[in-house]
Amino acid sequence: EVQLVESGGGLVQPGGSLRLSCAASGFTFTNYWMSWVRQAPGKGLEWVANIKQNGREKYYLDSVKGRFTISRDNAKNSLYLQMNSLRAEDTAVYYCARDRPSMTGHDYWGQGTLVTVSS
Amino acid sequence: QSVLTQPPSVSGAPGQRVTISCTGSSSNIGAGYDVHWYQQLPGTAPKLLIYGNNNRPPGVPDRFSGSKSGTSASLAITGLQAGDEADYYCQSYDSSLSGWVFGGGTKLTVL
Repeated sequence: EVQLVESGGGLVQPGGSLRLSCAASGFTFTNYWMSWVRQAPGKGLEWVANIKQNGREKYYLDSVKGRFTISRDNAKNSLYLQMNSLRAEDTAVYYCARDRPSMTGHDYWGQGTLVTVSS
Repeated sequence: QSVLTQPPSVSGAPGQRVTISCTGSSSNIGAGYDVHWYQQLPGTAPKLLIYGNNNRPPGVPDRFSGSKSGTSASLAITGLQAGDEADYYCQSYDSSLSGWVFGGGTKLTVL
């Protein structure tokens, strides 16, 4: 059974940092691109970043470029999102998602982890 | 303001058919990129409903179907059930943004 389990969310002050993790199981992690998608309270979905199987290609939402870094550890079947210089508008539930082949959407999602940026 | 435009809400009675539109532009849907649809039940993570414009993952009932034409796409739901009450999102790839884009979401109410 495919499972994605996020962790690392919490309350952080504006300007602070947080590192999210996503533990993957039930599939061959190295075969898939992976993404982070977020959802602000009461709002819609917003793709944040994704990373290629070997970690050598990464893409970001414009508003997080230079502040967020996506990475993966294939030996640990884990995906990460390092978030620096956090802003109030980054407050959201962050989901880890598996990308289907050939850019055909995200077929598995984690339960999400809440990040709250507030003083 | 989302890159893909969806109606904020739609409604229908049990058993009826509803459609949800998703309008994009020449840098995403109109550029030939596929459209995918997600269902998000209250308090849960999104679930892939339709991929590649009109394909259903295993376990998704054939009451759900998708289509795409030009710069727009649609999700159709037939035989509405109370359990279909959820938020629905379309998604595509945008070449000018070099990333995935979502619609703002449509709340489906079953009357």
